[in-house]
Amino acid sequence: QVQLQESGPGLVKPSGTLSLTCGVSGGPIRSSNWWSWVRQPPGKGLEWIGEISHSGLINSNPSFKSRVTMSMDMSNNQFSLRLTSMTAADTAVYYCARISYYGAGSNRRFDYWGQGALVTVSS
Amino acid sequence: QSVLTQPPSVSGAPGQRVTLSCTGSSSNFGAGFEVHWYQQLPGTAPKLLIYGNNNRPSGVPDRFSGSKSGTSASLAITGLQAQDEADYYCQSYDTNLSGFVFGAGTRVTVL
Repeated sequence: QVQLQESGPGLVKPSGTLSLTCGVSGGPIRSSNWWSWVRQPPGKGLEWIGEISHSGLINSNPSFKSRVTMSMDMSNNQFSLRLTSMTAADTAVYYCARISYYGAGSNRRFDYWGQGALVTVSS
Repeated sequence: QSVLTQPPSVSGAPGQRVTLSCTGSSSNFGAGFEVHWYQQLPGTAPKLLIYGNNNRPSGVPDRFSGSKSGTSASLAITGLQAQDEADYYCQSYDTNLSGFVFGAGTRVTVL
């Protein structure tokens, strides 16, 4: 069974940088799957941030494009998110998730999720 | 404003059938991209409920079913139970965004 676990600071100062790591167990991240970040502001819905493949290809939401960096750490079976220039509007629960292919084509779905990490932006 | 439109809330009595709608456009559902549904119980992470329009992952009861037609999709819950109280999100891929999109979510309340 694949499991994901987010780790990182719960508090970030305004204009600071968020760094989160997602540890993966139950399967190698060096696979055909993609690895993604999704966030959820308090009381609001889900927002896709971006995804990274095992080969380091990155796709990201244009809303974050200039602020987001993602990377893979194969040796520790984990992947990471960096989000710069944080403001109060970035206060949210950040989830990491696996995106896997299904069927015969290129369809993909978010099939495994971490439990989420609450990040608060405050001085 | 979400790219996929969902009603904020739906309610039903135990045992009833409820239907949740998700309206997209030509850049997502209309472009042939499939819909997935996620269930988020209070205080927990989202869980994949339906994928590829109408497929249930192992362990998901057959009380849950999905469909998609044109630029709209729906999730049906039959035999509504108290444990079904949760937020439900539809999700797809959008060519305008060149990325994944979620609906704003529908809260299901069991009366």
